[in-house]
Amino acid sequence: QLQLQESGPGLVKPSETLSLTCTVSGGSISSSSYYWGWIRQPPGKGLEWIGSIYYSGSTYYNPSLKSRVTISVDTSKNQFSLKLSSVTAADTAVYYCARHRLHYDFWGWGQGTLVTVSS
Amino acid sequence: QSALTQPASVSGSPGQSITISCTGTSSDVGGYNYVSWYQQHPGKAPKLMIYDVSNRPSGVSNRFSGSKSGNTASLTISGLQAEDEADYYCSSYTSSSTPHVVFGGGTKLTVL
Repeated sequence: QLQLQESGPGLVKPSETLSLTCTVSGGSISSSSYYWGWIRQPPGKGLEWIGSIYYSGSTYYNPSLKSRVTISVDTSKNQFSLKLSSVTAADTAVYYCARHRLHYDFWGWGQGTLVTVSS
Repeated sequence: QSALTQPASVSGSPGQSITISCTGTSSDVGGYNYVSWYQQHPGKAPKLMIYDVSNRPSGVSNRFSGSKSGNTASLTISGLQAEDEADYYCSSYTSSSTPHVVFGGGTKLTVL
C-alpha cells in the first residue's frame, strides 16, 4: 500500500524559502512508471500543480512558478523535496505530494500539510 | 483564474444523476485524451475517480463515468448518494508553454 507523507515547517516568514519533504513508503521512488509531484491548495480555493520530478532527476515545473521552485529527489531515502523561494502570503496553502504517471493523472496523494506564510 | 472552467456548484437528490462540465481549449482538454477527475471531501486529499477521460481506477464505483466532446469534458454521477457530496476537480494534460497539467476551479456537489 503506497503511502506519501509530507513534512516541514508549518510557518514561514515572508521573503524566505518554503521547504517540504515527501517520504514515500510501500513503493520505490525509483519506479520507472511514475513521477512525483507537488500540488497546493490555498484555503477555500482550488488545486494548483507546482512541479514534478522523475527518479532520474528530470524536473518539470509550472511555468507560473518556475522561477521560484526547485524540486529534488533522494532515491536512497525514498524522498523528494520542494523548495519555494521568496514566499508571500499568497503562497499560504495546503501542500500535497503525489504520485502520477506520464500524463499527470495523480494516483496517490499524501494527506497534505498546511504552510502559512506570515511574520 | 483557473485554466479549466467548471461550474461552481451543482446539486441533485438521492438517486438522481448529475453532470459536471470542464471546459478548456484545444491545447488541453480538446487536444488530448488525458483528462482526470478528482473527488475531495472536506479536510481530505483528492482521490482519483476518472483518468484518461473515461477510465475508472479499480475500486471506484461504476456510478461515476467520464466523457469528452471537443474542448469540454464531463463527469456524470448516477444514482446519487449522500457520500457523493464533495468537491470535484477536473485536470488535463496541456501542451501550452511547456507540457504540464492544469486544473479546473472545482465544483461543489450538494446532495439534497
